[in-house]
Amino acid sequence: EAQVTQNPRYLITVTGKKLTVTCSQNMNHEYMSWYRQDPGLGLRQIYYSMNVEVTDKGDVPEGYKVSRKEKRNFPLILESPSPNQTSLYFCASSKGSEVEAFFGQGTRLTVV
Amino acid sequence: AQSVTQLDSHVSVSEGTPVLLRCNYSSSYSPSLFWYVQHPNKGLQLLLKYTSAATLVKGINGFEAEFKKSETSFHLTKPSAHMSDAAEYFCVVSEGSLIKAAGNKLTFGGGTRVLVKP
Repeated sequence: EAQVTQNPRYLITVTGKKLTVTCSQNMNHEYMSWYRQDPGLGLRQIYYSMNVEVTDKGDVPEGYKVSRKEKRNFPLILESPSPNQTSLYFCASSKGSEVEAFFGQGTRLTVV
Repeated sequence: AQSVTQLDSHVSVSEGTPVLLRCNYSSSYSPSLFWYVQHPNKGLQLLLKYTSAATLVKGINGFEAEFKKSETSFHLTKPSAHMSDAAEYFCVVSEGSLIKAAGNKLTFGGGTRVLVKP
């Protein structure tokens, strides 16, 4: 089954404790992105990747890092989480630029 | 730069009545447009997409949307609402077709939450 898999689905952590949210897709897609969803703001792009070793900032990259060492994986790294990063995070992948994106189930992160 | 405005943050309809969700966009290029639905505690599911073919696009679950370039709109409609349509809906624009460096960046509207009354 074609899918985008994020882990964990839920995470509560403390300020400053490094964490990684994993994202994996099994569709051989070139494009992958990370978004955060906050009430009334829709989804905002954090980082994106056009292919292996090619990543760039989206609209809200501060406080986040990503890597794309393999085509299927695109982890999101929070080196020093802060409470304003409490949000619902989605990973997405797509084959090209004119086709729809496939989204993971989301990761609800709470930073206390 | 691209942007999307969903004109209603909440829409309440009675079961069996029509649904209209309004979306206006701005884009420097010919965009691709999408509607996604998010049910509670679920991920996002594609309802339909417009990519410069027919301006009236039919999607899943009886939804359709019409692309009107002159009005820069992409409103979503359904003739008869069902209880299972209660969810949040997002209008999305992508300029990736002409700006490949943007990496298929999707710009989301703020969302419209639909409530369906029995």
